[in-house]
Amino acid sequence: DAGITQSPRYKITETGRQVTLMCHQTWSHSYMFWYRQDLGHGLRLIYYSAAADITDKGEVPDGYVVSRSKTENFPLTLESATRSQTSVYFCASSVRLAGGPPDYEQYFGPGTRLTVT
Amino acid sequence: AQSVTQPDIHITVSEGASLELRCNYSYGATPYLFWYVQSPGQGLQLLLKYFSGDTLVQGIKGFEAEFKRSQSSFNLRKPSVHWSDAAEYFCAVYNQGGKLIFGQGTELSVKP
Repeated sequence: DAGITQSPRYKITETGRQVTLMCHQTWSHSYMFWYRQDLGHGLRLIYYSAAADITDKGEVPDGYVVSRSKTENFPLTLESATRSQTSVYFCASSVRLAGGPPDYEQYFGPGTRLTVT
Repeated sequence: AQSVTQPDIHITVSEGASLELRCNYSYGATPYLFWYVQSPGQGLQLLLKYFSGDTLVQGIKGFEAEFKRSQSSFNLRKPSVHWSDAAEYFCAVYNQGGKLIFGQGTELSVKP
């Protein structure tokens, strides 16, 4: 029962470097999400995906790239890291039920703390 | 546009005292509402959710929340706080496309 995992848990990188944060879920949930958490801003949605090969922008997508070739994986890439991208990143997943009341509960990973120097 | 407001950034209560965390939402239709808790260094865990029906919703860890449409509120309550309840609490509302909109969070401290 691994659930949803993120790696690495901690990362320090330099400005301008490319960084990829990994997210893996074992439930075959159709929806996956990437958030960043910053003091005073709560959680802000970066990108989300409704299914494999379907992704869409959230509230703060600039500077980030995502892909979803497999249902269980949803990596987030910072193409050229900036100090403003220093944050805690959370991945989440949820089920989209066919028919009946939708279950929008999102299940969160433990987070990745990224520092850009 | 849909939004969630948590007016209290930080609240301190004594252990054993009652707790109420405020949440106000802005949403055109019947909202789907959630409360999540985040313990230090961890991800978010769902406490409870409201979709329809009874406006008083029971959750895990002894928490409950009441949906009040007239006040656009979904306040979280607990009759007796334990030291282990110290955490950050987030209210969220469902948005279209399977997304959630989160409030800024309320940090709860518990005094012994």
